[in-house]
Amino acid sequence: QKEVEQNSGPLSVPEGAIASLNCTYSDRVSQSFFWYRQYSGKSPELIMSIYSNGDKEDGRFTAQLNKASQYVSLLIRDSQPSDSATYLCAALFQGAQKLVFGQGTRLTINP
Amino acid sequence: IAGITQAPTSQILAAGRRMTLRCTQDMRHNAMYWYRQDLGLGLRLIHYSNTAGTTGKGEVPDGYSVSRANTDDFPLTLASAVPSQTSVYFCASSELSAPGNSPLHFGNGTRLTVT
Repeated sequence: QKEVEQNSGPLSVPEGAIASLNCTYSDRVSQSFFWYRQYSGKSPELIMSIYSNGDKEDGRFTAQLNKASQYVSLLIRDSQPSDSATYLCAALFQGAQKLVFGQGTRLTINP
Repeated sequence: IAGITQAPTSQILAAGRRMTLRCTQDMRHNAMYWYRQDLGLGLRLIHYSNTAGTTGKGEVPDGYSVSRANTDDFPLTLASAVPSQTSVYFCASSELSAPGNSPLHFGNGTRLTVT
């Protein structure tokens, strides 16, 4: 079982709707979680980090963390075509000194 | 512009050949990393370095070696390339040695094809 799991998609969402991206992880003691966005042919860039249970909002983006369920999600409100990209979930596994990435979810926003 | 420079951008390499992928950062970050990205598998850590003079193994280190002689440079060497090493390679850095405490900055990647 992969340590960080994402649905690879593709996920299609109409423009203006809410895009919901989900991620589960296997390490119960992980404390830090990250969402990276990667445009096709480009390098990943950090868009959100979350460390405690609950929601964290930044503009149109909301990260949600539920440590009991080992689940982290990213919501994108008012989706725009420019949000079309692959979104990578990552978790820091304690003691292992490594950031583990999921396989990424490809999101397409349809005008 | 500050950042990470990777070279070459792309390379086609015959199996069995030796190849060094170059990575240079000018942000004076302590930690540097090499990842490979394959379709359906996401980013996997090959090797990392928390500070100049030290290196460590990641998830998929076999067939690769690294060195960290100074803060800025972190080359990745394939001693004898095999087709399974066909991938996109990303170099990354972070200000702090604990990767969760500061964001990763990625280079533009090197697309390597081993034939």
